[in-house]
Amino acid sequence: DGGITQSPKYLFRKEGQNVTLSCEQNLNHDAMYWYRQDPGQGLRLIYYSQIVNDFQKGDIAEGYSVSREKKESFPLTVTSAQKNPTAFYLCASSIDPGEGETQYFGPGTRLLVL
Amino acid sequence: GESVGLHLPTLSVQEGDNSIINCAYSNSASDYFIWYKQESGKGPQFIIDIRSNMDKRQGQRVTVLLNKTVKHLSLQIAATQPGDSAVYFCAEGISGGGADGLTFGKGTHLIIQP
Repeated sequence: DGGITQSPKYLFRKEGQNVTLSCEQNLNHDAMYWYRQDPGQGLRLIYYSQIVNDFQKGDIAEGYSVSREKKESFPLTVTSAQKNPTAFYLCASSIDPGEGETQYFGPGTRLLVL
Repeated sequence: GESVGLHLPTLSVQEGDNSIINCAYSNSASDYFIWYKQESGKGPQFIIDIRSNMDKRQGQRVTVLLNKTVKHLSLQIAATQPGDSAVYFCAEGISGGGADGLTFGKGTHLIIQP
């Protein structure tokens, strides 16, 4: 059963703590993306990766970091430098990063601050 | 209707009626458009897409219309059902525009009245 999975579904972060959100896909897609969604707002791009071992900053990369060591995996770390991390985080993937392809989304992780 | 802008409008329709959700896009160079459905607490789900060489595309109970002259996109849902209740948002992209290539609207909340 192909698709994109994200874990955990809910994540709680303490002040000053780094937390990592998992994103895995078995669709054999080259490109992967991380978005942040706040209530009443559109998706905002945090980071994207076109290929293994390469990634680029999106519109709101400050306070976040990523890695792309495997094609299937694109974890996002929310660092202590991100002062307003409470949001719904969405991971997506697409077949070909350069051709305006449809992005398919995972189920999301909701991050809450304790 | 929706624009790639600030508010999250609401559309309320009776069960069984047809729904029309609108989207105004901003980039005249965009040539690829997607509609997504997002249920509460879940990731966006691909519904239908259309490229700029078409002005209409039909799926199962859904039709997307594209008017490039006025940069307007609409999603028509026939015979709406309770399961259609969700936020619907459009995305625009440019073929070959790079991996960060989709811009997302904020969405319209569709409410189905019994």
